[in-house]
Amino acid sequence: AQSVTQLDSQVPVFEEAPVELRCNYSSSVSVYLFWYVQYPNQGLQLLLKYLSGSTLVKGINGFEAEFNKSQTSFHLRKPSVHISDTAEYFCAVSEHGGYQKVTFGTGTKLQVIP
Amino acid sequence: DTAVSQTPKYLVTQMGNDKSIKCEQNLGHDTMYWYKQDSKKFLKIMFSYNNKELIINETVPNRFSPKSPDKAHLNLHINSLELGDSAVYFCASSQGTGETEAFFGQGTRLTVV
Repeated sequence: AQSVTQLDSQVPVFEEAPVELRCNYSSSVSVYLFWYVQYPNQGLQLLLKYLSGSTLVKGINGFEAEFNKSQTSFHLRKPSVHISDTAEYFCAVSEHGGYQKVTFGTGTKLQVIP
Repeated sequence: DTAVSQTPKYLVTQMGNDKSIKCEQNLGHDTMYWYKQDSKKFLKIMFSYNNKELIINETVPNRFSPKSPDKAHLNLHINSLELGDSAVYFCASSQGTGETEAFFGQGTRLTVV
């Protein structure tokens, strides 16, 4: 069975500072990895995804993530955050093959401080 | 234009009542889902349908019954509502294979009083 761990439930960071949101996963087979963002009172939307190939993935709004197979991690980074990045961020994993069953992490609340 | 739409957006009801949440997607996807997000933002899959067939049914009380009249619709009916059912319910859809992302609706905030 697959699982996802987001180590930080909340991450406060000052505006224009860099940020890293951590995500580790566990699976017995190869996986696809995703980061979603949820703004207040809205549904989730995709930031970026890793399917294969280059381990550095670029997404929307200046975010990027790096897949590290040996450490089973998929950390999300942004070099300079804005107030508008304040939101809940979810890491997710789905396994290769079969129908998609996406498992989400518990989320990290990014709080950007002016 | 909305890709995944669900109604209602808010639902307040008394314990013991029966209620339904409707979901429709216009993306042509063949897989649809219901997720429950609790007060701590934890997001857990409840059901998944592929081409109107149930393929994922997590440990969910029998009071919850999904219905998919066609592959563009997936409704959720809840019988005998309990206080613990209060949560935000999200409908989502995807093309069904593992590498495609899910598109989410705006959520239905269910409050049971």
